[in-house]
Amino acid sequence: EVQLLESGGGLVQPGGSLRLSCAASGFTFNRYAMTWVRQAPGKGLEWVSVISGSGGTTDYADSVKGRFTISRDNSKNTLYLQMDTLRAEDTAVYYCATRSGSNEDYYFNYWGQGTLVTVSS
Amino acid sequence: SYVLTQPPSVSVAPGKTARITCGGNNIGSKSVHWYQQKPGQAPVLVIYYDSDRPSGIPERFSGSNSGNTATLTISRVEAGDEADYYCQVWDTSSDHLVVFGGGTKLTVL
Repeated sequence: EVQLLESGGGLVQPGGSLRLSCAASGFTFNRYAMTWVRQAPGKGLEWVSVISGSGGTTDYADSVKGRFTISRDNSKNTLYLQMDTLRAEDTAVYYCATRSGSNEDYYFNYWGQGTLVTVSS
Repeated sequence: SYVLTQPPSVSVAPGKTARITCGGNNIGSKSVHWYQQKPGQAPVLVIYYDSDRPSGIPERFSGSNSGNTATLTISRVEAGDEADYYCQVWDTSSDHLVVFGGGTKLTVL
């Protein structure tokens, strides 16, 4: 059974940093690209970042580019999101998800339960 | 950037058919994926590549995509189908790789 378990969320002041983790199990982790998607309170889904199975390729939404860094440790089956220079508008539940599909056409088939990040003074 | 437009809400009586639309410029040329999200829960993939169903998703859920509109159809709606539904495309032509629609709240009357 595929399981994704996020952790690391919490309350942080504007300008601060936080690192989220996503522990994966039940599948061959290094074969899947992974992504982070966030959801502000009462709002819709917003894609944040994606990383290839090897970790060699990454991409980011414009809203977080230069402030967030996605990475993975395939030996630990864990995905990370380092979030720096946090802003109030980064307040959201952050979900990790597996990316599936092919031919530059992808979807997200397994999701974690999410971890809440609150940026406030 | 590419924009997906969904109606904010759709209401349907139990046992009837619900249709949730997702509009986009020539969306028929793209593959559309759909997610269901119940309150306090993570999204769940219900349709991928326009009309394919993941294992475990009831046959009552189906999808279509043509022209400027993709549609998620839920037949014989049940109370448990009440949720938010999001469409999604992968768009390499814009600066936003992944585009989600704004979401539709399905209310079962």
